[in-house]
Amino acid sequence: GESVGLHLPTLSVQEGDNSIINCAYSNSASDYFIWYKQESGKGPQFIIDIRSNMDKRQGQRVTVLLNKTVKHLSLQIAATQPGDSAVYFCAENLLGGGADGLTFGKGTHLIIQP
Amino acid sequence: ETGVTQSPTHLIKTRGQQVTLRCSSQSGHNTVSWYQQALGQGPQFIFQYYREEENGRGNFPPRFSGLQFPNYSSELNVNALELDDSALYLCASSSTRGPGRSNEKLFFGSGTQLSVL
Repeated sequence: GESVGLHLPTLSVQEGDNSIINCAYSNSASDYFIWYKQESGKGPQFIIDIRSNMDKRQGQRVTVLLNKTVKHLSLQIAATQPGDSAVYFCAENLLGGGADGLTFGKGTHLIIQP
Repeated sequence: ETGVTQSPTHLIKTRGQQVTLRCSSQSGHNTVSWYQQALGQGPQFIFQYYREEENGRGNFPPRFSGLQFPNYSSELNVNALELDDSALYLCASSSTRGPGRSNEKLFFGSGTQLSVL
């Protein structure tokens, strides 16, 4: 079964508000995590990644938080824009991965309200 | 744009046929991975190639096979197509810089949408 999951299948936010997308993982051996954004008809687009030796990493308008104690990952998007509307996936990589590939969750559909 | 290109973009086949999908990796990337994404699901790992050899494989039957060429481009072949093989097939490339790091900074193409009738 999947070891990476998302708490909500759909998240609706107002344009300009901050969005928080959550992800729970179950494998304590995972050492690397990635967030992807997938728009309709396109492949997953890399957003940001984080290693297990970090708790937080910031990019442009995005922040990823990792809580290893409760095996929780979140993606924060500041000042959400219409172009942020997409399905967001978290993915994990097992330590020494390659042989197992990335494990993806089912995704959260982010809907932006005008 | 990631620089990962896939062809064709769409394909319709009938059950029992064979299909070959192609992928050109991003410049400078030496590792290619293939994923299958069913409608409404996250991508599932099929296999990965590094230096023209299979570096890892997910839970897919042997009728799913692949190749990586010296220029790091890749093919995915599926024999004896089944209806459940209908999905978006994604190719991703990365630059493996050390053991266990082949899944880092994985960049995906736009995929090939395969429909099996």
